[in-house]
Amino acid sequence: EAGVAQSPRYKIIEKRQSVAFWCNPISGHATLYWYQQILGQGPKLLIQFQNNGVVDDSQLPKDRFSAERLKGVDSTLKIQPAKLEDSAVYLCASSLGVKNIQYFGAGTRLSVL
Amino acid sequence: DAKTTQPPSMDCAEGRAANLPCNHSTISGNEYVYWYRQIHSQGPQYIIHGLKNNETNEMASLIITEDRKSSTLILPHATLRDTAVYYCTTGGGGKLIFGQGTELSVKP
Repeated sequence: EAGVAQSPRYKIIEKRQSVAFWCNPISGHATLYWYQQILGQGPKLLIQFQNNGVVDDSQLPKDRFSAERLKGVDSTLKIQPAKLEDSAVYLCASSLGVKNIQYFGAGTRLSVL
Repeated sequence: DAKTTQPPSMDCAEGRAANLPCNHSTISGNEYVYWYRQIHSQGPQYIIHGLKNNETNEMASLIITEDRKSSTLILPHATLRDTAVYYCTTGGGGKLIFGQGTELSVKP
């Protein structure tokens, strides 16, 4: 069974530029999560989707971050404009449902210069 | 804010059991305890979870105290490949809150 796919693996941008990350969850998983992991810290949930609807986006900085999950499968997370403090690993996870085990992708490492 | 407390680091000799403690004193009655580990440059990997009873799978055992305020993850025969950051987290409704985890170093 294929795992959670994320791309790109690495991205370097300058501050004030925009960037987008892509996630393809495990087939059949209705719930999708985006996490931000700053160096030395545990992952922090940014947004949770159930199919193509948002369940929880309370931790998403909505002035610069946006996410969508069209058709309830793939998802993209966008940052515009990026700030230095956005440098982190962005992890995508998926689960069958909200009460099920979450499976993580390898993440996208973002460096903002 | 993290709802779990773990020691920042631990060492273990290869072939010995690694016992990783976690405090989750504010856990709600319907929240599970989950353990994940993260090897450098990879995403977190699910290990095991439980509600009240002790659990065992091919990777590890999970011991949860009767009052559910703490738990211990046991890796019965640690290998060098078990060197990683181990996260204990609790969750209900899909929202997992990760603390800073325990960095386990398995030494030859």
